[in-house]
Amino acid sequence: AQKVTQAQTEISVVEKEDVTLDCVYETRDTTYYLFWYKQPPSGELVFLIRRNSFDEQNEISGRYSWNFQKSTSSFNFTITASQVVDSAVYFCALSEARQAGTALIFGKGTTLSVSS
Amino acid sequence: GAVVSQHPSWVICKSGTSVKIECRSLDFQATTMFWYRQFPKQSLMLMATSNEGSKATYEQGVEKDKFLINHASLTLSTLTVTSAHPEDSSFYICSAPRPRGVTYEQYFGPGTRLTVT
Repeated sequence: AQKVTQAQTEISVVEKEDVTLDCVYETRDTTYYLFWYKQPPSGELVFLIRRNSFDEQNEISGRYSWNFQKSTSSFNFTITASQVVDSAVYFCALSEARQAGTALIFGKGTTLSVSS
Repeated sequence: GAVVSQHPSWVICKSGTSVKIECRSLDFQATTMFWYRQFPKQSLMLMATSNEGSKATYEQGVEKDKFLINHASLTLSTLTVTSAHPEDSSFYICSAPRPRGVTYEQYFGPGTRLTVT
């Protein structure tokens, strides 16, 4: 069965601190996708990244970076120099890579609070 | 801009009434759409898969007679919460896979917040 674990329920940091959100996944599939979404108080999911299981290269986008380690089944997300606007709930998710497009399995989310 | 819309964005209804939520793919056809439910401070849980031209597939524990899903066209799926009760109050989000090369991108709607009084 597929499963996504985000062990950190809540994280509080002060502005300009770096913060890493952990994500560990389980799947029997050899091909799959991993995602990170941001959910601000409005509720609308904001897509951050999708990673194919065959692509283990780390990715950086501005202050955001992602570390994909297949050996440990982890897909961690780091925010550098955090800002108050980063405060939100962050979800890690997993899906199979089928042709028809499959539903996502979400972790329980990590609530990030950044104070000024 | 948004590629998947939901209507309404929020709704308040009285216990015992039914409420319909629409999910539309705006510029692509979706033979499959997904409905998720999110209770306060919890994760998104898949409720059902909406299939155009066939019956919806419900996840274990989701009452199909209570949550009616109709994939009316290649761009529209509706979720009707029948005889709503306060415990059905939740945030309902739909998603639709859009073809991208040999794979798909999942696009989420903005969600519908249902409050049953």
